[in-house]
Amino acid sequence: KAGVTQTPRYLIKTRGQQVTLSCSPISGHRSVSWYQQTPGQGLQFLFEYFSETQRNKGNFPGRFSGRQFSNSRSEMNVSTLELGDSALYLCASSLWGAVVDTEAFFGQGTRLTVV
Amino acid sequence: AQTVTQSQPEMSVQEAETVTLSCTYDTSESDYYLFWYKQPPSRQMILVIRQEAYKQQNATENRFSVNFQKAAKSFSLKISDSQLGDAAMYFCAYRAYNAGNMLTFGGGTRLMVKP
Repeated sequence: KAGVTQTPRYLIKTRGQQVTLSCSPISGHRSVSWYQQTPGQGLQFLFEYFSETQRNKGNFPGRFSGRQFSNSRSEMNVSTLELGDSALYLCASSLWGAVVDTEAFFGQGTRLTVV
Repeated sequence: AQTVTQSQPEMSVQEAETVTLSCTYDTSESDYYLFWYKQPPSRQMILVIRQEAYKQQNATENRFSVNFQKAAKSFSLKISDSQLGDAAMYFCAYRAYNAGNMLTFGGGTRLMVKP
């Protein structure tokens, strides 16, 4: 069974550009969550999608957005990139992600560097 | 808002010895889940162990066990018979019972295992 796949693995962008990251969850999983990991702020929750609807949102500016498709694949977009957006972006998927207790499986992340 | 604190940025242990990683959290919820995740150099987060707050019995997974003190809001991880492969970053995480898959992470503890 394939795990959570994030593409690309590495990305270098210039300040002011925009970027789109992709996450393919484990087959059958309907919940996808995104996290930003930086040395200074640690792991911070960005947002969660469940059945194509954003269910939870972290405390990030509107430059950070996401969406989920009918096949549960998710994308996150960061517009007008800033140097501080350089981070490891992790995606996690789970079967339901609702009240039912299900484990979240993480991908290997996308390392974004903004120059 | 929930917060998770890991007071030990780094820990080291001799191979085959036992080590305990500390975690405290703050929440006003009565139902929630607590997790320990391992992040090796490959960057992929791996679930080590989880605890449901309503269960009084401490969770155990092979060499990994927790000491869950609900009143004190403490959730420590004990690794017995430490192995070289246990070297990694360890993150304590909290999830409210009805919060989908929104995890709140602690700052992490880097565990070094000496041969």
